[in-house]
Amino acid sequence: NAGVTQTPKFQVLKTGQSMTLQCAQDMNHEYMSWYRQDPGMGLRLIHYSVGAGITDQGEVPNGYNVSRSTTEDFPLRLLSAAPSQTSVYFCASSLSRTPGNTIYFGEGSWLTVV
Amino acid sequence: DAKTTQPPSMDCAEGRAANLPCNHSTISGNEYVYWYRQIHSQGPQYIIHGLKNNETNEMASLIITEDRKSSTLILPHATLRDTAVYYCIVRVAINFGNEKLTFGTGTRLTIIP
Repeated sequence: NAGVTQTPKFQVLKTGQSMTLQCAQDMNHEYMSWYRQDPGMGLRLIHYSVGAGITDQGEVPNGYNVSRSTTEDFPLRLLSAAPSQTSVYFCASSLSRTPGNTIYFGEGSWLTVV
Repeated sequence: DAKTTQPPSMDCAEGRAANLPCNHSTISGNEYVYWYRQIHSQGPQYIIHGLKNNETNEMASLIITEDRKSSTLILPHATLRDTAVYYCIVRVAINFGNEKLTFGTGTRLTIIP
């Protein structure tokens, strides 16, 4: 059981480039989400999904797109990378949308935009 | 949204119980308290959660006050591997069951040999 898998682990981008952070879970979880973590600011929600075909914005969605074509995968796309998007990104999933279910996190993706 | 307040840092001697407090005075009746920890450069790791009653698992105990406005995470016999940032989180349900986690800045717990 792999849990939540994120790729790549590390990435350096030039300003204006686009890229996709991949996230996959093998636990048949309905709920998936993306967070970014910056020094002194805790984790902030970027986008989330409550099931295949359904996505919504979190706290800091600007500059990011998501899609959920399958239950397993929830990629995060940076459309035109900016230095302000330098951060650590975490993907998370849980069995369902109801409180009381454990949320599992991936190991993180370190992104640097130069 | 219910917010949480935690001390920024704490020290605890190895082998002693580590007691990490959290204030969530605006918590609603159907909101759970969750605790996660994050060891440097790793993803957040689930520890424990509770609604009203005290909870215990193989990692920790969670004590929730009767008015639910605060809680304490207890690591009964702290080891050096428990050095991490600990997050107290209130799970907020919004919009027909959709939810988000509100993470604060957590408590940096250092276990001292």
